Amino acid sequence: QKEVEQDPGPLSVPEGAIVSLNCTYSNSAFQYFMWYRQYSRKGPELLMYTYSSGNKEDGRFTAQVDKSSKYISLFIRDSQPSDSATYLCAIRYSGAGSYQLTFGKGTKLSVIP
Amino acid sequence: KAGVTQTPRYLIKTRGQQVTLSCSPISGHRSVSWYQQTPGQGLQFLFEYFSETQRNKGNFPGRFSGRQFSNSRSEMNVSTLELGDSALYLCASSLDAGLDEQYFGPGTRLTVT
Repeated sequence: QKEVEQDPGPLSVPEGAIVSLNCTYSNSAFQYFMWYRQYSRKGPELLMYTYSSGNKEDGRFTAQVDKSSKYISLFIRDSQPSDSATYLCAIRYSGAGSYQLTFGKGTKLSVIP
Repeated sequence: KAGVTQTPRYLIKTRGQQVTLSCSPISGHRSVSWYQQTPGQGLQFLFEYFSETQRNKGNFPGRFSGRQFSNSRSEMNVSTLELGDSALYLCASSLDAGLDEQYFGPGTRLTVT
């Protein structure tokens, strides 16, 4: 079982739709949860990060973490064509004086005008 | 403020050769991390440098090495190149160590023939 699983899509939605992107993880030591957005031919860009279970909102984006289920989500409201990109979840764990950052493989999203 | 810059942007090498990639972090950032991105494996952590010291290392063979200079600029070296080393190599910088709030560069596309 991979440490972080993410549905690669592709996911295609009409403009204005609510988008739900999800990852599951296996290591309960994971502590720090992030979402990155990567446009074609660009490096990833940090969208949101959170430590705790629950929701965190930033404009049209909401990150949700459920540590009991080892499940994280990113919701995009009122999706725009400019949101078309690959979205990567990333999870960090710390332990025994070291830490690692593990990425999901990314979900490719297309928002159709 | 200028972003993370990586040079060169594209590189073609022959199997068995070695290659050096360069990364200049955002001014004031002291941590630089390197990642390999491939369609099959996704984004994988190579190593992190902070104050000229390697702080963390991913699960890559010893052919992959790096260093950081006193001005925080970093180089990554891959020796004895293999076809499977063809990938996008991304550098990310952050203020402190810990792989939090990283800012990625555009990457170097390495092709090994």
